[in-house]
Amino acid sequence: ELKVEQNPLFLSMQEGKNYTIYCNYSTTSDRLYWYRQDPGKSLESLFVLLSNGAVKQEGRLMASLDTKARLSTLHITAAVHDLSATYFCAVGLGLSGNQFYFGTGTSLTVIP
Amino acid sequence: EPEVTQTPSHQVTQMGQEVILRCVPISNHLYFYWYRQILGQKVEFLVSFYNNEISEKSEIFDDQFSVERPDGSNFTLKIRSTKLEDSAMYFCASSSWTGNNQPQHFGDGTRLSIL
Repeated sequence: ELKVEQNPLFLSMQEGKNYTIYCNYSTTSDRLYWYRQDPGKSLESLFVLLSNGAVKQEGRLMASLDTKARLSTLHITAAVHDLSATYFCAVGLGLSGNQFYFGTGTSLTVIP
Repeated sequence: EPEVTQTPSHQVTQMGQEVILRCVPISNHLYFYWYRQILGQKVEFLVSFYNNEISEKSEIFDDQFSVERPDGSNFTLKIRSTKLEDSAMYFCASSSWTGNNQPQHFGDGTRLSIL
């Protein structure tokens, strides 16, 4: 059974601090996606990671992929309140790679 | 910026009834998807659709479910004989012509409540 696990599930951090969210998956894949979801809202695409060693950065967020370790990280630098949301990683599987298997989600709260 | 639109935003249906959830994908996208998210749980893949046919589906997508692209813009999910456990948020998504390796763009979802 495929598992996509995120750690931690809940994260409360102060503004200005740094933290990393981890996404482990149990099968071979070189397609990893990060999404953000605000309460009651849809999923917003943040990053697309398509190869081992891929690193992408946007603002205070940086994502990386280690396909050998089956691990992706989402690093938050100098958190601000606007980053409060739930973050999901998703592994692309299936014949076309378009079956997205989502992780359990990490609920991030940034405290002023 | 183009977006995926879903209607209705909230659907309340009696158990046993049929429901149709509607989606308008981004206009130049060719790959379409349905996902569901039971309250407080992760997002689950249901089905992908390309070139007017199902390309892949999950174990969740059994005979109770069907999808259709009735015209050039709409993409629908039909759920027959609804059950209480079908209550969830249903997300439609689409991706561009390249299909593979593209992020899927999600709509705001339809909250389905089965009574």
